Amino acid sequence: GAVVSQHPSWVICKSGTSVKIECRSLDFQATTMFWYRQFPKQSLMLMATSNEGSKATYEQGVEKDKFLINHASLTLSTLTVTSAHPEDSSFYICSARLGGDYGYTFGSGTRLTVV
Amino acid sequence: AQTVTQSQPEMSVQEAETVTLSCTYDTSENNYYLFWYKQPPSRQMILVIRQEAYKQQNATENRFSVNFQKAAKSFSLKISDSQLGDTAMYFCAFKAQGGSEKLVFGKGTKLTVNP
Repeated sequence: GAVVSQHPSWVICKSGTSVKIECRSLDFQATTMFWYRQFPKQSLMLMATSNEGSKATYEQGVEKDKFLINHASLTLSTLTVTSAHPEDSSFYICSARLGGDYGYTFGSGTRLTVV
Repeated sequence: AQTVTQSQPEMSVQEAETVTLSCTYDTSENNYYLFWYKQPPSRQMILVIRQEAYKQQNATENRFSVNFQKAAKSFSLKISDSQLGDTAMYFCAFKAQGGSEKLVFGKGTKLTVNP
């Protein structure tokens, strides 16, 4: 089946540094990927939609300069959290749209802790 | 804008019994898709079942089935013969056919299966 590989699964970084999270579609081409943030015991909050070869579309309230999204190829989308602060600590999940309206497949998530 | 409501924050069921999780949604669209996703403690999002709105027949996947009531905008999930491995957060999600590719999630129901 369609698999999205997300790395790293967890990362700890110091305040002020940047962290990059990668999502790769392993056996299909993902023209559209989605990035979510999930707080403990809460639902997924869509941050942005990335389309291969074009600028990402950010949801209202999401700082595009803090959460940089790049979707340079049909199999790779990255989320970079720039100048991370403790309040950016969260669980980040990517998702790829499957063709033919077969829904979506999700990465395994990245737990980011900023200290 | 579409909204998805899961009115049961938490539920529990005894192993081997049946449990039903509720989901209602609000939309002006006529064609759309509905999904139930499972998020176990590993936090990997797993598709449980999907339903196309134009299909009157309720979707079934082994022990999982839905009761789709389009007029009432209701999409409940029934889990039969509950197993310990069913313990997870369950999210109901909506996607309009065409237009936005975003998934709209409910807030989730935490299901615990007790031995």
